[in-house]
Amino acid sequence: SQQGEEDPQALSIQEGENATMNCSYKTSINNLQWYRQNSGRGLVHLILIRSNEREKHSGRLRVTLDTSKKSSSLLITASRAADTASYFCATDGTTGRRALTFGSGTRLQVQP
Amino acid sequence: DSGVTQTPKHLITATGQRVTLRCSPRSGDLSVYWYQQSLDQGLQFLIQYYNGEERAKGNILERFSAQQFPDLHSELNLSSLELGDSALYFCASSVGDFSDTQYFGPGTRLTVL
Repeated sequence: SQQGEEDPQALSIQEGENATMNCSYKTSINNLQWYRQNSGRGLVHLILIRSNEREKHSGRLRVTLDTSKKSSSLLITASRAADTASYFCATDGTTGRRALTFGSGTRLQVQP
Repeated sequence: DSGVTQTPKHLITATGQRVTLRCSPRSGDLSVYWYQQSLDQGLQFLIQYYNGEERAKGNILERFSAQQFPDLHSELNLSSLELGDSALYFCASSVGDFSDTQYFGPGTRLTVL
């Protein structure tokens, strides 16, 4: 079963709007990462947040982490059509920090 | 471009056959991870090697095996293929033994007919 569950499963917005995706996980973690996947292609690492961090920014991306609720959110501001992709959260808690366990992903569609 | 290369990009084969997928990690990365992505199971971790040694196993079937060679490239061998093995197989690499940022290759799309 998946460690993380993303919410929503699919999201459709207009260019310029903000997109928020949420991820919940089950076990304790050392870090949580977000990845992007364009259709049928490899995953691209977006951002890593460690368990002792609460918020992190990278360009138009903002990630928050609440370890008490075992949840994280990814905010993409001022979205662009090129942001259309699937977004996955990944945690390291279930494999002794040796591999990532991925959520089911959020499919984001940004309409031009 | 992540710096991780995988060959071949596409593979079409028949049930019962055996195939080998190849991965070259980023320069300097010692860990290689294999993942399987299918529509029904999502992204699943298969196995990890670090500097030639197996470090962690996930949901890898007994029909599947992997190894990492002295030059750090890795191969994933899939045998007695079944229709359900059709999936995208990704290789990822990282510098260390533990899972900080992993860099993913473009994947090999396996179709079993």
